[in-house]
Amino acid sequence: KQEVTQIPAALSVPEGENLVLNCSFTDSAIYNLQWFRQDPGKGLTSLLLIQSSQREQTSGRLNASLDKSSGRSTLYIAASQPGDSATYLCAVRPTQGGSEKLVFGKGTKLTVNP
Amino acid sequence: NAGVMQNPRHLVRRRGQEARLRCSPMKGHSHVYWYRQLPEEGLKFMVYLQKENIIDESGMPKERFSAEFPKEGPSILRIQQVVRGDSAAYFCASSHGRQATNEKLFFGSGTQLSVL
Repeated sequence: KQEVTQIPAALSVPEGENLVLNCSFTDSAIYNLQWFRQDPGKGLTSLLLIQSSQREQTSGRLNASLDKSSGRSTLYIAASQPGDSATYLCAVRPTQGGSEKLVFGKGTKLTVNP
Repeated sequence: NAGVMQNPRHLVRRRGQEARLRCSPMKGHSHVYWYRQLPEEGLKFMVYLQKENIIDESGMPKERFSAEFPKEGPSILRIQQVVRGDSAAYFCASSHGRQATNEKLFFGSGTQLSVL
């Protein structure tokens, strides 16, 4: 059974700092891995999607890496801003099960202090 | 192009009542997914539907819960005889087609269900 773990559960940093969020998954049989952002009272916004054959994806100040064999992904946020404060969710799409379900971690709650 | 629309945003029900949650997918999307987020937990898959068909309901409790996605109108997640443990945020997502390996899901803002 696929399980996704995110560490740390919460993180507080001063504005301008570079930071790394971690995600690990137990089964390397995945189609892809996605990082989402969740703001309070709002839905999820997809930030980056990495296919299983890829090593990383970049979008602006965000960079996500994937090491499928070791079951790890990181989300790197450069020059953090207060507007980056949110909960960041990692999700994998397993190849097993014959469906399109995503398996989510519990998230990392990020607070960027001005 | 409006995103995934869910209503109501907040729903309060007393134990034993019925809850109906609605989801209108993005324009042009014919695949809908429902997820539930319990307090302090990650999102859990419930059900995957296409127009008029339930494709995968493996994550949905066998009793009291049902889902539909009719030919016309929104997708409905229905919870009968709600209990306090049903209190959660329910999220709907949609995709254009069968989720290809590189296709993103688009999520709605969710419905927060509170059972008194």
